Parts: sequence; structure tokens; C-alpha cells
Amino acid sequence: SQTIHQWPATLVQPVGSPLSLECTVEGTSNPNLYWYRQAAGRGLQLLFYSVGIGQISSEVPQNLSASRPQDRQFILSSKKLLLSDSGFYLCAWSISEQYFGPGTRLTVT
Amino acid sequence: AQSVTQLGSHVSVSEGALVLLRCNYSSSVPPYLFWYVQYPNQGLQLLLKYTTGATLVKGINGFEAEFKKSETSFHLTKPSAHMSDAAEYFCAVKAGGTSYGKLTFGQGTILTVHP
Repeated sequence: SQTIHQWPATLVQPVGSPLSLECTVEGTSNPNLYWYRQAAGRGLQLLFYSVGIGQISSEVPQNLSASRPQDRQFILSSKKLLLSDSGFYLCAWSISEQYFGPGTRLTVT
Repeated sequence: AQSVTQLGSHVSVSEGALVLLRCNYSSSVPPYLFWYVQYPNQGLQLLLKYTTGATLVKGINGFEAEFKKSETSFHLTKPSAHMSDAAEYFCAVKAGGTSYGKLTFGQGTILTVHP
């Protein structure tokens, strides 16, 4: 069966610090991968998606970036965090429907 | 372009009562429709999906939804609410063509169940 992992589960970072969130998928090959952000009261916002290694599409302009160095690994990064980057970050994979990871709660202070 | 509107950001029911969460969509192509549930500080879990075929779809935890093309709706129902159903529910539509499986989500409906 397929599983999706995200880490860390929670993170508190100061403004201006770098960020790296990791997502890995097991039990499937060549999935589409997605990063979402969920801010309080604002639903889910698609940040990036990837259809293959090294292929990243950005949905919204921001100070975040994503990379897919391996087929089942998806990384969300930032060089300098902003207060507005706080939120709940979700990774998802799909072949047909999307399946979500457990999420990372990021608080920027 | 696709869009999803969930009517009611908060719904409150008594335990044992009918649950009805409303979802209307807009899509330029035949839609694939989904309902997800999210418990606090957790990821989203797929409840059910409609792709093609039977318009009444059954999901996990006793939930079901009916696709009504004429009404562009995909409302979620459960005959009898349980305390464990308290969560946030998201309706989503999948774009066709070269959408790479991207989903468009509604804003979510928080379901509260009173004893």
C-alpha cells in the first residue's frame, strides 16, 4: 500500500531564517506531487505541483520554492521566511485521486 | 476554469440527526468531484469521489453524495451524525485536460455535533 510522510510535524522558525520541509511517498512510482498551504480560515492554497523529477510548476508567486530530486521526494524551501509564511503545509500525491500527508505546522515568529 | 462553493462555513447538528453539507461546482468539462474530511492538525482524508457512472456514491464512515448535473451540486449526507464526525469537510473538483490532476477546493465547512 501507499504511504506518504512529511517532516517535521511542527516547526517554529524566526523571520528571515531558511526553511526546508520534506515529503516522501512509498509504494507508488511516478506520482504527481503537490504542496498546499492552509492558513487559518483561508482553505487550501496550491503552491506547487510536479509531474516528474525536476519538473516543478508554481501556482502563486511567493518566496517559497520546491524541488523534486527523486521520483518520490518533494521538498519545499525558503531562503528567508516571512511572518505570512506561517500555516499548515500539506503534501499530496496522486495517480488518480489525491492522497494527503499528515502535514507540517509552521509558525514564523 | 473550475470553482467550488460550499454553502455554510459552519454547520451544527445534534447526534443522531441528518448531516447535509452543501457543495456547488462550476466546470467547463465533465467534472470529477471529491469530498475530503480533515480532523484537527491532520491531513485530509478522502471520503468519496464521483468520476463517471452512478450518480449516488457511497464513501467511508456512512457518508454518501449525489452528483446532480442539472443543479451543478454534489452535496454530502449522512443519515445519523456521530460525535466522531465533528471535523472540517472540503469539497473539490478536478479539472480536465492537462490539469495534472490538480484539484480546486471549496473553503471548507466545519461540522459540529452536539450530544
